[in-house]
Amino acid sequence: AQKITQTQPGMFVQEKEAVTLDCTYDTSDPSYGLFWYKQPSSGEMIFLIYQGSYDQQNATEGRYSLNFQKARKSANLVISASQLGDSAMYFCAMRGPHSSNTGKLIFGQGTTLQVKP
Amino acid sequence: DSGVTQTPKHLITATGQRVTLRCSPRSGDLSVYWYQQSLDQGLQFLIHYYNGEERAKGNILERFSAQQFPDLHSELNLSSLELGDSALYFCASTDLGGELFFGEGSRLTVL
Repeated sequence: AQKITQTQPGMFVQEKEAVTLDCTYDTSDPSYGLFWYKQPSSGEMIFLIYQGSYDQQNATEGRYSLNFQKARKSANLVISASQLGDSAMYFCAMRGPHSSNTGKLIFGQGTTLQVKP
Repeated sequence: DSGVTQTPKHLITATGQRVTLRCSPRSGDLSVYWYQQSLDQGLQFLIHYYNGEERAKGNILERFSAQQFPDLHSELNLSSLELGDSALYFCASTDLGGELFFGEGSRLTVL
């Protein structure tokens, strides 16, 4: 069975510094996708970044990068130059290989990030 | 704005009651996914519809049901509500590339 684990319930980071949010996953499928979403206090789910299991390079989107270590089954999110607006809950999620259910994701428990001024 | 519309945004009701949550996917998207986010269970996949047909079920209670109509909007019906059903219910749709677009959610409070 697929599983996502986020071991950091809460994190603090100083404004303008970088922060890494941990995510490990478990799956026996060779084909999968990994996602990070941001959920601010208003509640909406904001897509940040995606990494496919066969992608050779780590994904990057602006200040977000995904540190994908396939052998260790980890997909950590790195946020560079943190901003006060980055304060939110962050979720790691995984999609399995079945193309007919591309929107069926398994989510981790989330990490609350607080950026200090 | 993801293009996925959910109504109502907030709903307060009593135990034993029934509510209906509505979702309109992005224009052109045929798939609708429902998720529940609760303090106890986190974010969980409930059910997937594609062009009117149920495609997959997750941890959806028997008291809950969903359908997708010919105009592709979907409704999630929650009945015999319990305190534990209080949660944020998300609807999402996918484009052909598989990117998932979430609505803003419907926050249900059962008193």
